[in-house]
Amino acid sequence: QSVLTQPPSASGTPGQRVTISCSGSSSNIESKGVNWYQQLPGTAPKLLIYNNNHRPSGVPDRFSASKSGTSASLAVSGLRSEDEADYYCAAWDVSLGGMLFGGGTKLTVL
Amino acid sequence: EVRLVESGGGLVQPGGSLTLSCAVSGFTFNDYYIDWIRRPPGKGLEWVGRSRNKANDYSTNYAASVKGRFAVSRDDSRNSLYLHMNSLKSEDSAMYYCARTDINILKDYDYWGQGTLVTVS
Repeated sequence: QSVLTQPPSASGTPGQRVTISCSGSSSNIESKGVNWYQQLPGTAPKLLIYNNNHRPSGVPDRFSASKSGTSASLAVSGLRSEDEADYYCAAWDVSLGGMLFGGGTKLTVL
Repeated sequence: EVRLVESGGGLVQPGGSLTLSCAVSGFTFNDYYIDWIRRPPGKGLEWVGRSRNKANDYSTNYAASVKGRFAVSRDDSRNSLYLHMNSLKSEDSAMYYCARTDINILKDYDYWGQGTLVTVS
């Protein structure tokens, strides 16, 4: 069972805005940066957001993220069919001394 | 071009051992931490362990599920990282990835390898 909690699924229609939540604790999300990854079927994960709200070069600005206290969220606006993938949040946990991943959210574009 | 390439996966019996390799190119290996992350079939991503660079004394951390059974080592002269896996269990079956971390800008896993599949059966 993941210490970072994400909804198992999310969905939206093309053009819509969808948000995915990630809930943690004071030893991970609240005290460390949160990262978000996208994994398409059969491929390696891809970094979408690092250190709470920074986008690597090449990631569209349709992807944004925020953090407040022990929770974080990823927003995908202008939903496109190619956004259909698994999304994971992650943060270092200072108590466990390791990286924690959320359980993953499967995003479906209807 | 930044590349990380895993190898060494395969089929191994429970209780057996296997060593995975992660060969990197296109960046200064010693400037980065390298982590191992796995994805068991039908499940989500799970962090396995971290190898820090020379400036951080090559220190390591491991997930509780593998501590005492897995060990990470790195060879800066070969730009390679290794995951030594012992006492393997069926629950260790997964696609194993190596990924780099730029600790200076808190950028975890901006580049990943393609993965290598480990099956314990």
